[in-house]
Parts: sequence; C-alpha cells; structure tokens
Amino acid sequence: EAQVTQNPRYLITVTGKKLTVTCSQNMNHEYMSWYRQDPGLGLRQIYYSMNVEVTDKGDVPEGYKVSRKEKRNFPLILESPSPNQTSLYFCASSLGWGRSGANVLTFGAGSRLTVL
Amino acid sequence: QKEVEQDPGPLSVPEGAIVSLNCTYSNSAFQYFMWYRQYSRKGPELLMYTYSSGNKEDGRFTAQVDKSSKYISLFIRDSQPSDSATYLCAIDEEYGNKLVFGAGTILRVKS
Repeated sequence: EAQVTQNPRYLITVTGKKLTVTCSQNMNHEYMSWYRQDPGLGLRQIYYSMNVEVTDKGDVPEGYKVSRKEKRNFPLILESPSPNQTSLYFCASSLGWGRSGANVLTFGAGSRLTVL
Repeated sequence: QKEVEQDPGPLSVPEGAIVSLNCTYSNSAFQYFMWYRQYSRKGPELLMYTYSSGNKEDGRFTAQVDKSSKYISLFIRDSQPSDSATYLCAIDEEYGNKLVFGAGTILRVKS
C-alpha cells in the first residue's frame, strides 16, 4: 500500500530534550515536506526537500532541523523542544513540484507532540 | 493579510443539504487549486484538484475556481454524515515549491 509513515504518533516530552520524528514514504516520491497544524492557523510548512540532499526552509523553520540522506526518509529533529512547539505534525510527499499533477501531497497520519 | 482565508466554521447542516465551502486568496500567481478532506485523527486526503479557472465535478462534489475574484468553492450535494470532517483548501503557484493551506472549515452533517 502506498503510504507515508511517521512515528511516533503521540509523544509527550519535556523542554530541552532532543527528539526526532521519523517519516518514510514508499512511493519513490522526490518531494517531501513537514507541516505543523495548529487551531486557527491551519497547516504551515516547516521544511521541504526537493530531492536527496536538497532541503530548504518553509514558513516556520525556527527550532527545527531536517535531513534527506535517502529518498524515502525525511526525519524532523527538534534539538531543544519548547512548549510553543506543542502541535500536530504532518509529513507529506509528492511526485515532484512545478508541474501539473505532481504537486499533490500524500500525508502521513500525523504525530501529536506535547512539550511540557 | 493571510495568503489564503477560510472560514473555520463549524458549519452544521442536516443530512441531504447542499454544502458550500469557500476560500479567498490574495496571490494572483496561484494556478493550482485543491480541496483536502481531513477526518478526525487522520492526515488530509486529496478530494478535488483543479488547474486554473473553471468547474470540476466528481460525484457529489463540485469545485469552482473564479480567478478574477480570487475565490474558490467546494459544493457538496446530498450531504451525508460521513462527509463530517474538516475541509482544507490548498493553493499552489505555477512554479512554486509548496501548498498554501487555508485554516480549514469544520463540517458536521447531522442525520
């Protein structure tokens, strides 16, 4: 089954304790992205990657890191989490970008993160 | 001003009603217009995809794009309780690198 898998689905942590949210897709997609979803603000892009070793900042990158060493994986790293990073996080992927039909995102099921 | 504005609702309708969901946007460079549906505790899933202006119909769902007014709509005919979800509009530029999402409208269809 074609899918985007992210883990963990739920996580409660404390301020300053580094954590990684993993994301993997099995569709050979070039483009991957992380979004956070907050009430009233919708989905906001954190980072995206056009391909292996190519990453760039989205709209809200502060406090996050990413890497894209393999095409299928795109982990999100919170080096020193803070309470304002409490949110619902989604990883998504697509065939590519810049051409019709390629910019359809397939989303993971989400990771709910609480930082105390 | 946000790039995409969407009324968050919630919108509550009886089963069988026609539902109208809307978004407005500010960037005239937007060319791709999508609607995603998100059920509780799930990720968003693509519902409708439109390039440039016009209408697109898929079963009970119709998407409309009016680029002159920078206004997009999703109509749901004969709404069902299973349509209860959050509906997100999403827009992309011709040579962009991301989807810009509206805040989402919560829809509740009562049986």
